[in-house]
Amino acid sequence: QSALTQPASVSVSPGQSITISCTGTSSDVGAYDYVSWYQQHPGKAPKLMIYEVSNRPSGVSNRFSGSKSDNTASLTISGLQAEDEADYYCSSYTSSTTYVVFGGGTKLTVL
Amino acid sequence: QVQLVQSGAEVKKPGSSVKVSCKASGGTFSSYGINWVRQAPGQALEWMGGIIPLFGTANYAQKFQGRVTITADESTTTAYMELSSLRSEDTAMYFCARDPSSGGWFDPWGQGTLVTVSS
Repeated sequence: QSALTQPASVSVSPGQSITISCTGTSSDVGAYDYVSWYQQHPGKAPKLMIYEVSNRPSGVSNRFSGSKSDNTASLTISGLQAEDEADYYCSSYTSSTTYVVFGGGTKLTVL
Repeated sequence: QVQLVQSGAEVKKPGSSVKVSCKASGGTFSSYGINWVRQAPGQALEWMGGIIPLFGTANYAQKFQGRVTITADESTTTAYMELSSLRSEDTAMYFCARDPSSGGWFDPWGQGTLVTVSS
């Protein structure tokens, strides 16, 4: 059971937009602006897509955006493409000794 | 551009230990944290612990306290993760990742090392 709660799966058509939620608590997501999102294709290492809630690393498409409200963070992907089909994980800095907690992951299918 | 390259796959017996390496190249090694994250087959990511080589003191997730040791060698820009008393549930992909800001976000990641625990 992961510390942060994400939907297990979502399906969308190419060209549409999707928002993936990530719900934590007042000890992690709600307390710090250190929410990040990772994309993971099968058999590959995770890739950082968003850091500190809404910042995109160099080279990441501007179709990816992040936000946060209270204890819930969100990743929005617009203009979905086949290559976006992957697992997405959120994570957050936490005040507990754990340091970082992850969500359970969301499998995105582009139909 | 920082790159992290991990050691190869391992097959271990229950009760034994495994030590995985993570060599950094192309950037500053000592000032930034190196963290270890594992992923059991079909499961989510799980933070195990991390170290800032400059300070040398590692922090561990409570779940792994007493079984995991994370170290770093500044002279070879290599970090290590050793997990002892292995059991079948430790079968997983183990990733190292750099923590550029001490804010708990990781970039880049190593390619992963598969550790299989089987009798």
